[in-house]
Amino acid sequence: DSGVTQTPKHLITATGQRVTLRCSPRSGDLSVYWYQQSLDQGLQFLIQYYNGEERAKGNILERFSAQQFPDLHSELNLSSLELGDSALYFCASSPRPLAGWGGELFFGEGSRLTVL
Amino acid sequence: EDQVTQSPEALRLQEGESSSLNCSYTVSGLRGLFWYRQDPGKGPEFLFTLYSAGEEKEKERLKATLTKKESFLHITAPKPEDSATYLCAVQASTNQFYFGTGTSLTVIP
Repeated sequence: DSGVTQTPKHLITATGQRVTLRCSPRSGDLSVYWYQQSLDQGLQFLIQYYNGEERAKGNILERFSAQQFPDLHSELNLSSLELGDSALYFCASSPRPLAGWGGELFFGEGSRLTVL
Repeated sequence: EDQVTQSPEALRLQEGESSSLNCSYTVSGLRGLFWYRQDPGKGPEFLFTLYSAGEEKEKERLKATLTKKESFLHITAPKPEDSATYLCAVQASTNQFYFGTGTSLTVIP
């Protein structure tokens, strides 16, 4: 158990719909990262937050958005869903401050999104 | 361009047959190189962090090494429970993480 909690574990929805994925980082971790993992593809970085502020953006679509709340949990919002958005979405947290450190990521179990 | 390449894509070993997985990288200002294990449908599980060339880390049957351009994950006398996908990632000076696509390891009893 990494200590990172993601809900829901599974989600099935239809094209055009909107969903919200939730992540609670490990206790004390300030950084939250979101990744997408599609079938046969590697982990694609979406976005990172540090203590409530957006710090970096990866290949995140404009239909997707995220935020980190004062209690440090994070939500990833996916809207106008398309079939190609079906994937595993992982949240990870890091115990290190952003600047000057190399620090490992601890991943949640993921949210499996299926768009029909 | 920062990137990570892992080889082979897939590896089948007999139980007890030792081998190595490769991770080559180009990155601007390496802050760390990380190895993860991922089981199907699960989140990656952290294994090792390496920070500088020449560094080595060991855990049970796994040993990770780092040079200036690549890292190796050596698996000694593997068991079926070592079957998983092994991911390599680097953290650049921008603090961003770049993941390889992984090596899928199957250990046959």
